[in-house]
Amino acid sequence: NAGVMQNPRHLVRRRGQEARLRCSPMKGHSHVYWYRQLPEEGLKFMVYLQKENIIDESGMPKERFSAEFPKEGPSILRIQQVVRGDSAAYFCASSPVQGNEKLFFGSGTQLSVL
Amino acid sequence: DQQVKQNSPSLSVQEGRISILNCDYTNSMFDYFLWYKKYPAEGPTFLISISSIKDKNEDGRFTVFLNKSAKHLSLHIVPSQPGDSAVYFCAARERGGTASKLTFGTGTRLQVTL
Repeated sequence: NAGVMQNPRHLVRRRGQEARLRCSPMKGHSHVYWYRQLPEEGLKFMVYLQKENIIDESGMPKERFSAEFPKEGPSILRIQQVVRGDSAAYFCASSPVQGNEKLFFGSGTQLSVL
Repeated sequence: DQQVKQNSPSLSVQEGRISILNCDYTNSMFDYFLWYKKYPAEGPTFLISISSIKDKNEDGRFTVFLNKSAKHLSLHIVPSQPGDSAVYFCAARERGGTASKLTFGTGTRLQVTL
């Protein structure tokens, strides 16, 4: 029974490149959340998605960042034209129903921007 | 603007003794609080939670206390075990907000020594 799967575990990009982070929720979970942890900080909410819908993107930076959760396949967090300040650990979490705060987190993707 | 604060970055406790991890918050709209545990290279895992209508919740060796007037909560681990060594995050949910949009503290690294 696989948990939340994130890949890649580590991603290195040069400034200006695009980063794509993938997340497959736990089986039976249809709610996906992305959190970001900058160095020396706590996790910060970015976006909440259900299949084919963005429910709450209040934590997403206004530019360069986008997220999707298609009908088929994993959720994707996309960062265009990365900058050094995007270097962080990006965690995906899932839950079976809305209103469940007991999120199941993946192991994260560590993004390093050179 | 850090709404959830964990002022102790680290804590060292001897095996068998009590570990007390503290958390303060500033947002009066928070109505649900959670503790997550995180091992290196893994995502956070849910540990225990408490609603604002309670002042104590206990689950085995873990007890969370909530003092609403002081806007303070604490996690007690008794007795502490070496496997408890991890980073502990306090998190809070805002009343009426997206259920899984949690605000995290910066974490406290607990080391349980033999």
